[in-house]
Amino acid sequence: QVQLVQSGAEVKKPGASVKVSCKASEYTFTGYYLHWVRQAPGQGLEWMGWINPNSGGTNYAQKFQGWVTMTRDTSISTAYMELNRLKSDDTAVYYCARENRQGPHSFDIWGLGTMVTVSS
Amino acid sequence: QSALTQSASVSGSPGQSITISCTGTRSDVGGYRYVSWYQQHPGKAPKLLIYDVSSRPSGVSNRFSGSKSGNTASLTISGLQAEDEADYYCSSYTISSTEVFGTGTQVTVL
Repeated sequence: QVQLVQSGAEVKKPGASVKVSCKASEYTFTGYYLHWVRQAPGQGLEWMGWINPNSGGTNYAQKFQGWVTMTRDTSISTAYMELNRLKSDDTAVYYCARENRQGPHSFDIWGLGTMVTVSS
Repeated sequence: QSALTQSASVSGSPGQSITISCTGTRSDVGGYRYVSWYQQHPGKAPKLLIYDVSSRPSGVSNRFSGSKSGNTASLTISGLQAEDEADYYCSSYTISSTEVFGTGTQVTVL
């Protein structure tokens, strides 16, 4: 079935970088924008940005500009989100989510999430 | 971009109806029909319930309905069931061409 499969949990030290992958399955990867959303423990959802898998174009939330990089590899239908200069408050579950073609700016398919823990 | 404002918690008895509000500004909720709602059970990924203010994806129960008035969007759950106990988030497109989520509402079924 249509799904997004994310990479496994990561533990990183402060100042390091993390790269999370999101592999699309059973749909045309280049046909839908992919968004990244994070959720710190016990907190709400925070939108980080999107990538257009067709063109590689990106749009990041102002908070993450200069700090996050979203890329894709169309040959393997996979998107990536790399976050640099990690701090302890970047500890969160990171989700990728497909934009709903029937309703732009909503997200109809979500990955299961990747837990990123930042700790010294 | 500040998070949209939602009430922290709402509760109701089985069979009742409850409404969750989501307040933004003219730059987001009030300016566009791109308001969506998500349900999230503990430890799970969010699930799309409503898009474009009031449209339901196929497979979502018609007990969930959405509306908007001015800068405030609302999600109504009718015929409340035990399985509806979860966190609910609204989301909106913004004038800055970004997306913003609400602060989240915890729904408790008494």
